[in-house]
Amino acid sequence: SQQGEEDPQALSIQEGENATMNCSYKTSINNLQWYRQNSGRGLVHLILIRSNEREKHSGRLRVTLDTSKKSSSLLITASRAADTASYFCATVRNTGGFKTIFGAGTRLFVKA
Amino acid sequence: SQTIHQWPATLVQPVGSPLSLECTVEGTSNPNLYWYRQAAGRGLQLLFYSVGIGQISSEVPQNLSASRPQDRQFILSSKKLLLSDSGFYLCAWSLNYLRETQETQYFGPGTRLLVL
Repeated sequence: SQQGEEDPQALSIQEGENATMNCSYKTSINNLQWYRQNSGRGLVHLILIRSNEREKHSGRLRVTLDTSKKSSSLLITASRAADTASYFCATVRNTGGFKTIFGAGTRLFVKA
Repeated sequence: SQTIHQWPATLVQPVGSPLSLECTVEGTSNPNLYWYRQAAGRGLQLLFYSVGIGQISSEVPQNLSASRPQDRQFILSSKKLLLSDSGFYLCAWSLNYLRETQETQYFGPGTRLLVL
């Protein structure tokens, strides 16, 4: 089964609102990453949070990690139409080599 | 700076035909390389990864194969395509874990394959 599972699967909000996406995983991790994918394009790395960190910020992005609940959230504040994309969480485990597993993603649509 | 290239961008192939997708990385050496497939509106499925020349690990048994003939070249192949091979194929690289503990991956633009 998927190591990382995002919810909701799809999210539609108005420009200026905040968007929150969640990711749950099953096994212990080394770090967790969030990626963004515009339609028909490759993924772009947004932010990485290590297993010993609880919160991280980058511009309008805020990521939290709760290892006791095996969950993470990505908050995009003051969303813009250009934030419309799919967002994926990826968990990284050290299994004798680092292995990254991607979730199915959340499709975010920001209406202007 | 590092860049990653994939070609072709789009490919339409008949069932039973061969396939060769190429990925090259510039600006880094001895990267880890990855091939993913993404079905429409879905997440990424890891197909192959490589930690060095000639070293290929397969994650999913199927009619695809991968090769790494040079340090920064990764090729995805098939002898006979199936309808189920249609999808969006993404190549990615990351720093070799021996030098970098964070496995951030950097993706190419992708190849959209349609098998008819």
